Amino acid sequence: NAGVTQTPKFQVLKTGQSMTLQCAQDMNHNSMYWYRQDPGMGLRLIYYSASEGTTDKGEVPNGYNVSRLNKREFSLRLESAAPSQTSVYFCASSEGGVRGYTFGSGTRLTVV
Amino acid sequence: GDSVTQMEGPVTLSEEACLTINCTYTATGYPSLFWYVQYPGEGLQLLLKATKADDKGSNKGFEATYRKETTSFHLEKGSVQVSDSAVYFCAVNTGGFKTIFGAGTRLFVKA
Repeated sequence: NAGVTQTPKFQVLKTGQSMTLQCAQDMNHNSMYWYRQDPGMGLRLIYYSASEGTTDKGEVPNGYNVSRLNKREFSLRLESAAPSQTSVYFCASSEGGVRGYTFGSGTRLTVV
Repeated sequence: GDSVTQMEGPVTLSEEACLTINCTYTATGYPSLFWYVQYPGEGLQLLLKATKADDKGSNKGFEATYRKETTSFHLEKGSVQVSDSAVYFCAVNTGGFKTIFGAGTRLFVKA
């Protein structure tokens, strides 16, 4: 029972480089989310996908793009990384927000 | 807008001590309330939840009661263990696709 799988677990980028964070869930959930976690700020929503084929901006979408490839997969892309994007990124999925979320183990990204 | 405020940490306790982590929220309508736990190097895990006023969520010895009159959802445990050392997040969802998380409270339990 894998749940939510994120890759990679760690990544170091140079300013201006691009990369895609991958996320896949095997629970047949409709909704998927990308959060970033920064010290003292809790989790902030970057983008979410209510269902396959739809995506919407969250609280901090600038500098990011997403793709809901199919029901299982939801990727996050940084087109031109900046040091301010150094963070831990979490993907989550849910079958309705009131049921709570299942989180992946995170990607620790450092932009130098 | 919706918001969650939880007590700042870190909280340091001795094993078998009582734990209370305060959480208050601001939200319209009838939100659902959650506590998540994050162990070192891991993602968040749902610990417990409550979906309506006066409901009590419980799991692994932890409890929290949905108090609409005080807009609070404080996390309690009667006797903590070293293995409870983690970061605890309070969260609120008003029925849409956005859950708001508190800043987290780090708990250290000493043997």
